[in-house]
Amino acid sequence: AQSVTQPDIHITVSEGASLELRCNYSYGATPYLFWYVQSPGQGLQLLLKYFSGDTLVQGIKGFEAEFKRSQSSFNLRKPSVHWSDAAEYFCAVVGSYNTDKLIFGTGTRLQVFP
Amino acid sequence: KAGVTQTPRYLIKTRGQQVTLSCSPISGHRSVSWYQQTPGQGLQFLFEYFSETQRNKGNFPGRFSGRQFSNSRSEMNVSTLELGDSALYLCASSKASGGLITGELFFGEGSRLTVL
Repeated sequence: AQSVTQPDIHITVSEGASLELRCNYSYGATPYLFWYVQSPGQGLQLLLKYFSGDTLVQGIKGFEAEFKRSQSSFNLRKPSVHWSDAAEYFCAVVGSYNTDKLIFGTGTRLQVFP
Repeated sequence: KAGVTQTPRYLIKTRGQQVTLSCSPISGHRSVSWYQQTPGQGLQFLFEYFSETQRNKGNFPGRFSGRQFSNSRSEMNVSTLELGDSALYLCASSKASGGLITGELFFGEGSRLTVL
């Protein structure tokens, strides 16, 4: 069965520092992978997605993610974090083709110190 | 362009009651899916509707049900509420008929249900 693991529950970084959020997936075929962000009291917003092709994917707000099949990973990165990036980040894999079913990781809460 | 609208945003119910949550998708979107978010279980898929038909269903008891109307608006219902049903219920819509490999999922801000 498909699954997603986000090993880090909570990460704290200083503003301006680089960021890497980890995501590992378990999927039998070629995975379709996503990163979403959720600010307090808000719904989820798509940051980026990987379907195929270039393994380095660029997203919104300066985020990027790299798909590594050999490591079953899809880590999210940002070179310089802004205070407004404080939020919860979810990695997800599509659960079934031709549907909108997503399987989410447990999320990583990012705290940014000035 | 209006986003996904969920009503009510907050509600409080007692055990044994039932609740109906509403979701209006983005105009032109025909697919609506529902997710439950709790601190313990995280984000879990409830069900998905496309053109008034349930296309997929998550692993939830039969107390959880949903439907979609001809205008793509959707409702979900939870009967005989339990304390564990307290959660943020998120609705999402997409335009594509082929699922996520062809389209993007847009989420509403959710309906926060508290069961006392």
